[in-house]
Amino acid sequence: KAGVTQTPRYLIKTRGQQVTLSCSPISGHRSVSWYQQTPGQGLQFLFEYFSETQRNKGNFPGRFSGRQFSNSRSEMNVSTLELGDSALYLCASSLAENTGELFFGEGSRLTVL
Amino acid sequence: GQQLNQSPQSMFIQEGEDVSMNCTSSSIFNTWLWYKQDPGEGPVLLIALYKAGELTSNGRLTAQFGITRKDSFLNISASIPSDVGIYFCVGSSNTGKLIFGQGTTLQVKP
Repeated sequence: KAGVTQTPRYLIKTRGQQVTLSCSPISGHRSVSWYQQTPGQGLQFLFEYFSETQRNKGNFPGRFSGRQFSNSRSEMNVSTLELGDSALYLCASSLAENTGELFFGEGSRLTVL
Repeated sequence: GQQLNQSPQSMFIQEGEDVSMNCTSSSIFNTWLWYKQDPGEGPVLLIALYKAGELTSNGRLTAQFGITRKDSFLNISASIPSDVGIYFCVGSSNTGKLIFGQGTTLQVKP
């Protein structure tokens, strides 16, 4: 059974640009959640999607957005990048929503210059 | 808002030693979970606890769901070099909201 796949693994952008990250969940998993991980702040919840609907949202500005497709694949977008957006962005999938039993991908490491 | 206080923040131990870390909160949780993140990887679920007072083992790992439902601890016995990584506690409330601890970074000296 393939795990959670995130692309790209690494990317470098400059301030003001926008970025789109992709996540393919484990087959059969309908819930996808996104997290930002930085050394100083730990793991911060961004949002959770279930059946193409955003179920929960963390305390991030509107520059951070996401969506989920009918095949459960998810994308997140960050517009007008800032230096502080440099982080590891982790995607996790689960069979059901509102469960702590998450399966994480390896993450997309974003560097903003 | 809900917060988890995870301690210690970091540990540097000798191979073979036992390790203990814990998470406390002022809030009650219905589920406690412990994850481990290896360098360059995403976190992996180690143990999930669903009942107050529950004590669960997974190999050399033992975790307990505190009786007050406000805390949990994780013990690792006879540490080995591959135990290196960041350990996260996660509390799940009755609404399904997940709260992550700040993580405990473990380093093991061979």
